[in-house]
Amino acid sequence: AAGVIQSPRHLIKEKRETATLKCYPIPRHDTVYWYQQGPGQDPQFLISFYEKMQSDKGSIPDRFSAQQFSDYHSELNMSSLELGDSALYFCASSLVMGQDSPLHFGNGTRLTVT
Amino acid sequence: LAKTTQPISMDSYEGQEVNITCSHNNIATNDYITWYQQFPSQGPRFIIQGYKTKVTNEVASLFIPADRKSSTLSLPRVSLSDTAVYYCLVGDGKRGGSYIPTFGRGTSLIVHP
Repeated sequence: AAGVIQSPRHLIKEKRETATLKCYPIPRHDTVYWYQQGPGQDPQFLISFYEKMQSDKGSIPDRFSAQQFSDYHSELNMSSLELGDSALYFCASSLVMGQDSPLHFGNGTRLTVT
Repeated sequence: LAKTTQPISMDSYEGQEVNITCSHNNIATNDYITWYQQFPSQGPRFIIQGYKTKVTNEVASLFIPADRKSSTLSLPRVSLSDTAVYYCLVGDGKRGGSYIPTFGRGTSLIVHP
């Protein structure tokens, strides 16, 4: 079965650089979520999209932005990177938005900022 | 969003049954209870979801008492590969409405040989 695809798997950037993370949800899933997980921490919600429109924002810095495109893939854009942005970034999709529709996560992008 | 409380860590041995309890005293009428499993450096994986009583699938069972203020994830006959962090999520049950799946402090399960 098709799964959520994230790219790249690993990304190394320097401080103040920009990064773009991509997420391809499971076909026919209309909801995408982005999470950040620092070392030893729990996944923190960043932002979500429903039917290509932003739905909710969590603890996402103003330096970050995201969008969902017409083909439902989503991109997380991160600018002015800081050392503290080093983390695993997960994307998840669900068939519909709602807690009765389980999330399917990708394998994440590991971002290292040096 | 109902707040959840789980044990921070648990230890078990291969072949044993493991029960992880999650407290959610403020659960709302429409809230579902969902459990995820996460291995290191991987995204969380959906395990099971329930609303009341008992739910069973091929990997786990979920027991929910009548008052729904807690739930217990039961893993039968664990193996070393069940070593992971387990998260209990409880939230808004409005289908089609805004929903923010929030991960709290999960339970780190370590299975010993």
